[in-house]
Amino acid sequence: AQKVTQAQTEISVVEKEDVTLDCVYETRDTTYYLFWYKQPPSGELVFLIRRNSFDEQNEISGRYSWNFQKSTSSFNFTITASQVVDSAVYFCALSEASGNTPLVFGKGTRLSVIA
Amino acid sequence: SQTIHQWPATLVQPVGSPLSLECTVEGTSNPNLYWYRQAAGRGLQLLFYSIGIDQISSEVPQNLSASRPQDRQFILSSKKLLLSDSGFYLCAWSGDRGAEEKLFFGSGTQLSVL
Repeated sequence: AQKVTQAQTEISVVEKEDVTLDCVYETRDTTYYLFWYKQPPSGELVFLIRRNSFDEQNEISGRYSWNFQKSTSSFNFTITASQVVDSAVYFCALSEASGNTPLVFGKGTRLSVIA
Repeated sequence: SQTIHQWPATLVQPVGSPLSLECTVEGTSNPNLYWYRQAAGRGLQLLFYSIGIDQISSEVPQNLSASRPQDRQFILSSKKLLLSDSGFYLCAWSGDRGAEEKLFFGSGTQLSVL
């Protein structure tokens, strides 16, 4: 069965620092999808990115970047020059193409950016 | 555009009382629907998901149940709440194309069972 591990429970950084949130996954499928979601204090989860297992290209979107490495089963998320508005809980998630179970989430990493 | 509505936003209920949380989706048809629970300090736990009316899968066999009376309506219920049912409940929807679909979440219900 698929599994997602986010080993970092809480991270605190000072504004303008770079921070990387780790995500390690387990799956037996060759076709799968990885996701990151942001949960601000309001509570609603916001979709950030989706990658399929055949696309290992790193992606950059503004201050956000994602590093997907199949060799280490990791899909890490980096925020450059962090801002207070980045403070949130971030979830990594996985879905298998052949599986019947919907998205499986990690336990989340709470990021606090201090001004 | 598609929207998802979930209510109430907060709820305080005594132990042993019933529960009904409602979720509706607009702007799409035949969505997959989901109920997740987020306990304090823990991740998201999938409770139920539905790929169609009268097609509901349960991931957590506890004193909760789900129903889908209409295509875009998903209801989470309990006959008798337990203290352990406290948490943040999130409804979500996705398209029906499979594992690649991303989920869109409602704003959540904070349930406190006292």
